[in-house]
Amino acid sequence: GESVGLHLPTLSVQEGDNSIINCAYSNSASDYFIWYKQESGKGPQFIIDIRSNMDKRQGQRVTVLLNKTVKHLSLQIAATQPGDSAVYFCAENIGGGYQKVTFGTGTKLQVIP
Amino acid sequence: DAGVIQSPRHEVTEMGQEVTLRCKPISGHNSLFWYRQTMMRGLELLIYFNNNVPIDDSGMPEDRFSAKMPNASFSTLKIQPSEPRDSAVYFCASTLPGTKQFFGPGTRLTVL
Repeated sequence: GESVGLHLPTLSVQEGDNSIINCAYSNSASDYFIWYKQESGKGPQFIIDIRSNMDKRQGQRVTVLLNKTVKHLSLQIAATQPGDSAVYFCAENIGGGYQKVTFGTGTKLQVIP
Repeated sequence: DAGVIQSPRHEVTEMGQEVTLRCKPISGHNSLFWYRQTMMRGLELLIYFNNNVPIDDSGMPEDRFSAKMPNASFSTLKIQPSEPRDSAVYFCASTLPGTKQFFGPGTRLTVL
């Protein structure tokens, strides 16, 4: 029979446009959030992180926004490039020295040249 | 600096055989994680160690899976006996407390 896998949401973006990838996290006690990028055949790679005492953090071409009221995280990528095509995961950690990180299911970003 | 090193990168074995996956964390990192990634279930945490001690193994699927960390620079994940449903990509990651995890390249396991 046909196997059913996780249905990854897919975001298709024109090269040069900005991308916004959204994530809803589950635990209101989480105080550390991370975005990872996973290219085909590779392990997840750290992009940017944010702690719960902040609502915005910027990196090179990337910005993470945190809305604790609605438990929502977003990753904005400016001037999206073909090399940005990958699966993006958000992850949360409850802190307090506990190292376990819970990953979301991921969003696939397709950049159209 | 070398990142997290995993071996082998690919493993093909037959059902019932023992499989051992290896991981060398980044030097100085004191936490190590084993994950499994499949199309069906996504990225799942199997077990993690802090200072070589297993802290949370609630993600280990069953007794066929075991993990060890005999020292700060080496860990193994063993499956005995292996089954076709164990086919997946297995990732090792390491970190310092409260910081981001660094992932290895993964081991793609195929159990026939």
